[in-house]
Amino acid sequence: EAGVAQSPRYKIIEKRQSVAFWCNPISGHATLYWYQQILGQGPKLLIQFQNNGVVDDSQLPKDRFSAERLKGVDSTLKIQPAKLEDSAVYLCASRPSINGAYEQYFGPGTRLTVT
Amino acid sequence: AQSVTQPDIHITVSEGASLELRCNYSYGATPYLFWYVQSPGQGLQLLLKYFSGDTLVQGIKGFEAEFKRSQSSFNLRKPSVHWSDAAEYFCAVGPASGNTPLVFGKGTRLSVIA
Repeated sequence: EAGVAQSPRYKIIEKRQSVAFWCNPISGHATLYWYQQILGQGPKLLIQFQNNGVVDDSQLPKDRFSAERLKGVDSTLKIQPAKLEDSAVYLCASRPSINGAYEQYFGPGTRLTVT
Repeated sequence: AQSVTQPDIHITVSEGASLELRCNYSYGATPYLFWYVQSPGQGLQLLLKYFSGDTLVQGIKGFEAEFKRSQSSFNLRKPSVHWSDAAEYFCAVGPASGNTPLVFGKGTRLSVIA
């Protein structure tokens, strides 16, 4: 079974530029999460999807971050414009369903550096 | 408020020595607890989880953890550490189901010396 795929693995941009990250969850997993992991900290949830609907985006900085999962499969997270404090690893995770076992499966992450 | 505390930011152990990583949690309902490991440049891999039943749970790579409700703890242990265990370890707490997100600790970085 293929795992959660993310791309790119690394990205360096200048502040005020835009960037997009892509995630393809495990096949059949209905729930998808985007986390931000700042160096030295644990992952922090940004947004959670159930199929193509948003379940929780309370911690997403909506003035600059957006995310979509249009067909209920893969997802894109965008930052526009980026700030220095957005430098972090962005992790995508998936889970079979919101009512099932709580195990989340994580992708390798995208390391973003904003200069 | 839900929270996870990992008191040790960095631990160094000798290869072959035993290991214990501490985790304390605060959670309003019955907690479901997890330990994840993150190797450099990698995502998080689930080591083990506790939902109910036997409070000593076994995981992958020879790890185990013990749930102690009275102490609100879920410490991770390994009897003999291998150099390949060097990584970042995260404790997390969440619900049995539903959409309440997992809450992660800040992690403990494990270094292994010869």
